[in-house]
Amino acid sequence: GAVVSQHPSRVICKSGTSVKIECRSLDFQATTMFWYRQFPKQSLMLMATSNEGSKATYEQGVEKDKFLINHASLTLSTLTVTSAHPEDSSFYICSARDFGHWSNQPQHFGDGTRLSIL
Amino acid sequence: EDKVVQSPLSLVVHEGDTVTLNCSYEVTNFRSLLWYKQEKKAPTFLFMLTSSGIEKKSGRLSSILDKKELSSILNITATQTGDSAIYLCAVGGETSGSRLTFGEGTQLTVNP
Repeated sequence: GAVVSQHPSRVICKSGTSVKIECRSLDFQATTMFWYRQFPKQSLMLMATSNEGSKATYEQGVEKDKFLINHASLTLSTLTVTSAHPEDSSFYICSARDFGHWSNQPQHFGDGTRLSIL
Repeated sequence: EDKVVQSPLSLVVHEGDTVTLNCSYEVTNFRSLLWYKQEKKAPTFLFMLTSSGIEKKSGRLSSILDKKELSSILNITATQTGDSAIYLCAVGGETSGSRLTFGEGTQLTVNP
């Protein structure tokens, strides 16, 4: 149980392109999903918390207009990197949490998306 | 601001060795501590600890929380090359809601 699917796993595209990443909870409903960014040899850095049916909560320093998040259903959240530039190249990972009080439910992670902007 | 410190940052052992990974934290209104294993892709969930002194065990892996010392350890016995990974510790506090704060991780390498 608790499977999170993230797609695509790898994207290589030109500078200026917008890239959409999907995160789906396959066997549970996720009221809350999280988007992280991870640089090589570093830990996960939370970018934003995505709540179903409401606006995402962004961490300090993360540009809302650059990283658009949509959590349209209980099983799907999307992250769109708009007008991506080489400095946006990174490993993006989503996680989802099942219903229930958050302290009783761990976050389960997708396999991540490696984004490379040329 | 919540903070998680893991040690050591890197560890190299031989197959069969036992290892202990440490995690200490500072968090307002602690709720839970989680351990994850990260290989080439995203982290996989290992343990979630909320109560002090109660060991959680899964095969050769075990973990325990010490709320008095604001720390947790992850033990791996009879290590195998497949245990090579980054082990991440994360904490959640009541005031931070459902957000987790991650430590930098311990890179474990198990040599044959």
